[in-house]
Amino acid sequence: AQSVAQPEDQVNVAEGNPLTVKCTYSVSGNPYLFWYVQYPNRGLQFLLKYITGDNLVKGSYGFEAEFNKSQTSFHLKKPSALVSDSALYFCAVRASYSSASKIIFGSGTRLSIRP
Amino acid sequence: NAGVTQTPKFRVLKTGQSMTLLCAQDMNHEYMYWYRQDPGMGLRLIHYSVGEGTTAKGEVPDGYNVSRLKKQNFLLGLESAAPSQTSVYFCASSTGLEASEQFFGPGTRLTVL
Repeated sequence: AQSVAQPEDQVNVAEGNPLTVKCTYSVSGNPYLFWYVQYPNRGLQFLLKYITGDNLVKGSYGFEAEFNKSQTSFHLKKPSALVSDSALYFCAVRASYSSASKIIFGSGTRLSIRP
Repeated sequence: NAGVTQTPKFRVLKTGQSMTLLCAQDMNHEYMYWYRQDPGMGLRLIHYSVGEGTTAKGEVPDGYNVSRLKKQNFLLGLESAAPSQTSVYFCASSTGLEASEQFFGPGTRLTVL
C-alpha cells in the first residue's frame, strides 16, 4: 500500500526567510512525487514533480523540492518566502508502476508568511 | 483555453434531494477524476474515468454515481444527498501518460442540510 504524510498542519515563516514544507512517503518500488498549491477558494495547482534523475527538482514560483530516497522524503523548499506564498500545500505520491489514477494526496500543510 | 470548469460553484441541498455536478475540460485529456476535500483529510478520490465511456470506483464511491458519455465531460451524481456529503468537490483531468500531473477545476461547495 502507498501512503503520504505531511507531519505539519501549519508552517509559519517570516517574509524573506527560507521555508520548508515536509513530506514523507511510502510506496513499493520507485515513486512519482508531486507538489500542488491551493489558494483560497481555488482548485489545486501543480507546482513540480519528481520522476527520476536529479534529486533537486525546480518548479513554479521559485519553489524547489529535494527527493531523498533513503529518508523517503520530498520536502518543498524556497530560499526566500513571500507573503503571496501563503496557501495550502499538498504533497502527492504514486508508484511508478501503477495507474495514473492511483495517486494519493497528503492532508495538506497551511503555509503562513508574515510580513 | 478554459482548462477545467465546474458547475455549479455553490449548492445547498436538503437531505434526500438529488443533484448532478458537471465537469468539463478542453485539453483533450483521457483521464478525469472526482475528489472531495474535507478539512484535515486532504483529497479523497470518489470516482475516476480513464476514457470516454469508462468509469471506476475510487476510495470513497458510496452514495455517488458518475458518467462519461463524452470525452470532455464527467458528471457526478448524488441520488439521495446526506449531510455526510457536505464537502467541497473538485474535478481534475490528466493525460494519463506516465507521471502526468492533474489539472483541477475551481471546485463546488455543497452543503446538505
